[in-house]
Amino acid sequence: DIRLTQSPTFLSASVGDRVTITCRAGQDIGNYLAWYQQKPGKAPNLLIYGASTLQGGVPSRFSGSGSGTEFTLTISSLQPEDFAIYYCQRLESYPITFGQGTRLEIK
Amino acid sequence: QVQLQESGPGLVKPSQTLSLTCTVSGDSVSSGSYSWSWVRQPAGQGLEWIGRIYTSGRTNYNPSFESRVAMSLDTSRNQFSLNLNSVAAADTAVYYCVREAFVSGWHGDSWGQGTLVTVSS
Repeated sequence: DIRLTQSPTFLSASVGDRVTITCRAGQDIGNYLAWYQQKPGKAPNLLIYGASTLQGGVPSRFSGSGSGTEFTLTISSLQPEDFAIYYCQRLESYPITFGQGTRLEIK
Repeated sequence: QVQLQESGPGLVKPSQTLSLTCTVSGDSVSSGSYSWSWVRQPAGQGLEWIGRIYTSGRTNYNPSFESRVAMSLDTSRNQFSLNLNSVAAADTAVYYCVREAFVSGWHGDSWGQGTLVTVSS
């Protein structure tokens, strides 16, 4: 299986901060990557697909970039509702796998 | 707007079969634009993709489950289902049904709220 490794695992930041989460794949996955946000007790919510395309209804402070083996999710100015767990997901071959998650907490 | 709702027993005995159904509203499981999948999440842990079913009825399963999983579509009821047999305590998790759209891979654009299934005698 192609491994996805997110970093950091835990991130503490303040409202208004710019934060970046990285997802690294064990081999080239092109742009076959999605990002999700999950809040406690809720289902994941799609933020980004195709590595950089913003899902409809997602605030523009979220952006994704990268291709091949290294990808980033950036939140340009953290809002209180952004504190959650973020997962990347690779989509190019089976089995589909997720990163281990990055927990974003309020400093 | 599409909505997905999981249903099924919340408690399953070890070695038995876990059966869940996802009822879809606001879209058709026959729509060729989407596929339908299941993802699970043990308490406090990450997400695990179980498999998907296409509108044709073709399936792709995670090899970790392949010997004991089956998915099906019921177009008359606009539902799709998951059967996982020979369950053990490690199968205790929240199970999500997901609609997937294709752009650079099938990504989950709509999720059910999830249903907790506990495997215990």
